[in-house]
Amino acid sequence: QSALTQPASVSGSPGQSITISCTGTSSDVGGYNYVSWYQQHPGKAPKLMIYNVSNRPSGVSNRFSGSKSGNTASLTISGLQAEDDGDYYCCSYTSSSTRVFGTGTKVTVL
Amino acid sequence: EVQLLDSGGGLVQPGGSLRLSCAASGFTFSSSAMSWVRQAPGKGLEWVSSITGSGGSTYYADSVKGRFTISRDNSKNTVYLQMNSLRGDDTALYYCARGGLLVDITYWGQGTLVTVSS
Repeated sequence: QSALTQPASVSGSPGQSITISCTGTSSDVGGYNYVSWYQQHPGKAPKLMIYNVSNRPSGVSNRFSGSKSGNTASLTISGLQAEDDGDYYCCSYTSSSTRVFGTGTKVTVL
Repeated sequence: EVQLLDSGGGLVQPGGSLRLSCAASGFTFSSSAMSWVRQAPGKGLEWVSSITGSGGSTYYADSVKGRFTISRDNSKNTVYLQMNSLRGDDTALYYCARGGLLVDITYWGQGTLVTVSS
């Protein structure tokens, strides 16, 4: 199972919006609504930001939103803040009864 | 409060074995699927294995199938990962996580480091 494809890096200025894409196939992202997004800061465990494509756990800022179109899922961060700096990973269920993560995206707040 | 305490990591020689443990608290353990996810130094996240709440079904990444075994003891609120025939590319920080195949991973342990080297 190949990793889902994410851009290596995305950057933006404070207050701006950015979108991170996560591209898979009809056997994973496109076939199921079990897509989640995680934020990871250096030396820390990942934190769930979005689950089931577009649902936000309690405690996660409403500046984070998720969506999906075809085989590509997206995470949008609006009103970018310095604390949003970090690595972001998508994750999907697959038709092989496995899970697969994305390649990861480093978000830099300029 | 959900807590996952990973342990059991360490330095092991190639071909050796290690068993990781994860003690859970703060939720109904027996109703929760559990997973192990690893992260090699400086690399991304890799799903390793998942187990259903009852322990009746287990799932593995191709990279560990036949070498690793996930199990759980619901009386002890603990999930395990038995790792055999370890290789250098198994070197990673191993995270225990709440969630499985059809339930997105919601909580993560702090990770336990496994180093495979002679």
